[in-house]
Amino acid sequence: NAGVTQTPKFQVLKTGQSMTLQCAQDMNHEYMSWYRQDPGMGLRLIHYSVGAGITDQGEVPNGYNVSRSTTEDFPLRLLSAAPSQTSVYFCASSDRVTGQGRYNEQFFGPGTRLTVL
Amino acid sequence: QQQVKQSPQSLIVQKGGISIINCAYENTAFDYFPWYQQFPGKGPALLIAIRPDVSEKKEGRFTISFNKSAKQFSLHIMDSQPGDSATYFCAASKNSGGSNYKLTFGKGTLLTVNP
Repeated sequence: NAGVTQTPKFQVLKTGQSMTLQCAQDMNHEYMSWYRQDPGMGLRLIHYSVGAGITDQGEVPNGYNVSRSTTEDFPLRLLSAAPSQTSVYFCASSDRVTGQGRYNEQFFGPGTRLTVL
Repeated sequence: QQQVKQSPQSLIVQKGGISIINCAYENTAFDYFPWYQQFPGKGPALLIAIRPDVSEKKEGRFTISFNKSAKQFSLHIMDSQPGDSATYFCAASKNSGGSNYKLTFGKGTLLTVNP
């Protein structure tokens, strides 16, 4: 298993440009999430999905769009990049919890380092 | 509103020493408390996790201590090694019908273990 893969690893954009960060997982996990990591801020949840066709907003959703057409893929779209979106982006996936008291592990991808000039 | 507060921001420990990182949470609905380890240029990876029905969990040199009444939990790394040098994040989530996939993270602690 490749686990969670993200492309590209690095990207530089100009303000106003658009792009899509790709995320894929081969573990057949139902849940997928996008986080951004900024120095001294930890990781903050942007959007998440509980299954194909179902997405919802996290803590910092503004400026980002997501869709989930398949179980495997969960792309993150920046429609009009801003310098405030300079960050490292992590995609994560986890399995559905079944049974009381079970807790699922989130598996993180290697990240995409995005710079917006 | 910062729901999970982590301290210290950075920590320097000698090889063989004990590293202690503390976290405090506000939301009493949280019922899953994992610690993630992150090496430079890599994504976070689950290190150890605890549920609030136990006060301590140990896995090798890593121990989580949990104080439900104080809403605090901590990570202890015994016999710290240079290979433990990384950033450590505490996190919390709540299990609601199987939905404990939304993690709230602390801001992280950069641990440096000197040889």
